[in-house]
Amino acid sequence: EVQLLESGGGLVQPGGSLRLSCAASGFTFSSYAMSWVRQAPGKGLQWVSVISSSGGTTYYADSVKGRFTISRDNSKNTLYLQMNSLRAEDTAVYYCAKGARTTVTTFLDYWGQGTLVTVSS
Amino acid sequence: DIQMTQSPSSLSASVGDRVTITCRASQGISNYLAWYQQKPGKVPKLLIYAASTLQSGVPSRFSGSGSGTDFTLTISSLQPEDVATYYCQKYNSAPPYTFGQGTKLEIK
Repeated sequence: EVQLLESGGGLVQPGGSLRLSCAASGFTFSSYAMSWVRQAPGKGLQWVSVISSSGGTTYYADSVKGRFTISRDNSKNTLYLQMNSLRAEDTAVYYCAKGARTTVTTFLDYWGQGTLVTVSS
Repeated sequence: DIQMTQSPSSLSASVGDRVTITCRASQGISNYLAWYQQKPGKVPKLLIYAASTLQSGVPSRFSGSGSGTDFTLTISSLQPEDVATYYCQKYNSAPPYTFGQGTKLEIK
């Protein structure tokens, strides 16, 4: 059974940093692209970032480019999202999602339960 | 960037009705289109990929069609458990892999 367990969310002040983690199990983690998707309270889904299976290709939404960094450790079956210079508009539930392919051009076939990030003073 | 526009934004229908949700891309995306269902308070779930391929385990009353810029998600006979918000997402070669704004489906 595919399981994705996010952690690392919480309350942070504007300008602060957080690192989200997503522990994966139930599939060969190193064979699939992974993504982060967020959802602000009461709003729709917003794609944030994607990383290829090897980690060699990454893409970001314009709204987070230069502030967020996606990475993965295939030896630990873990996906990360380093978030710096956080803003109030980054407040959202952040979902880790598994791609259905090795490459970044993929739909998302499994989603974690999400972790809430709140940016507020 | 390619924009994804869903219509309607909200929809109310009766049990047993045929329901259609539309997703339009601002540029052609071939069939690189997925549909997700998010029930209230729950995690999004993949329904359809490659515009028309049903994900394993999804009831056959759900179907998808389209290619290029215009896509539809159809529920052939609405059930109470289908109350949810539905999102389309494009995943063709060029990021960002944008979602539509969502269509909230309720039972009349």
